[in-house]
Amino acid sequence: GDSVTQMEGPVTLSEEAFLTINCTYTATGYPSLFWYVQYPGEGLQLLLKATKADDKGSNKGFEATYRKETTSFHLEKGSVQVSDSAVYFCALTIGNTPLVFGKGTRLSVIA
Amino acid sequence: GAGVSQSPSNKVTEKGKDVELRCDPISGHTALYWYRQSLGQGLEFLIYFQGNSAPDKSGLPSDRFSAERTGGSVSTLTIQRTQQEDSAVYLCASSLKYRVVDTQYFGPGTRLTVL
Repeated sequence: GDSVTQMEGPVTLSEEAFLTINCTYTATGYPSLFWYVQYPGEGLQLLLKATKADDKGSNKGFEATYRKETTSFHLEKGSVQVSDSAVYFCALTIGNTPLVFGKGTRLSVIA
Repeated sequence: GAGVSQSPSNKVTEKGKDVELRCDPISGHTALYWYRQSLGQGLEFLIYFQGNSAPDKSGLPSDRFSAERTGGSVSTLTIQRTQQEDSAVYLCASSLKYRVVDTQYFGPGTRLTVL
């Protein structure tokens, strides 16, 4: 079945460091890809998405590019802030089927 | 406009009791999803409603779990004879489902603790 694999956490970075969270997927069709974020004590929020190969999703300084050749959707940010501390989930859907999530990566940014 | 709402936000129950969790989707959204978030299992799909079609129940972990959606809007997830392993955060999401791909918007969740 379809699956998402993302790098295990936790990830601890200093403020202004570069962030990469790796995400790869396996899917039988042509998935749409998402990054969701869960801030402490809050619900899941959509961070960014991409619906076809070579699309780049971006939001709040975060970016991810849909790479069909490597089946990847890595999340990047050039300069993280303490407020970016959260759990990040990579996910996929085909059509509007239920989302398949990775296990999540906890990011802690220290000042 | 208003987002997805869920109630209660927290529920503590005793093993063996039944519980009902409620979800109010975004107005006009035809697709509604239930997920469960637990430490050991991450985020798991439970059940999916799309308009008047029969729900996709393929993610329900046992026959103690059921859900209904009345009038194409509000949904209730029922867990009968709760067990300690049912302790988790239950998340509801909705989407428009008139385009090929649409974003699922999540509610804040109901944290269920089974003692």
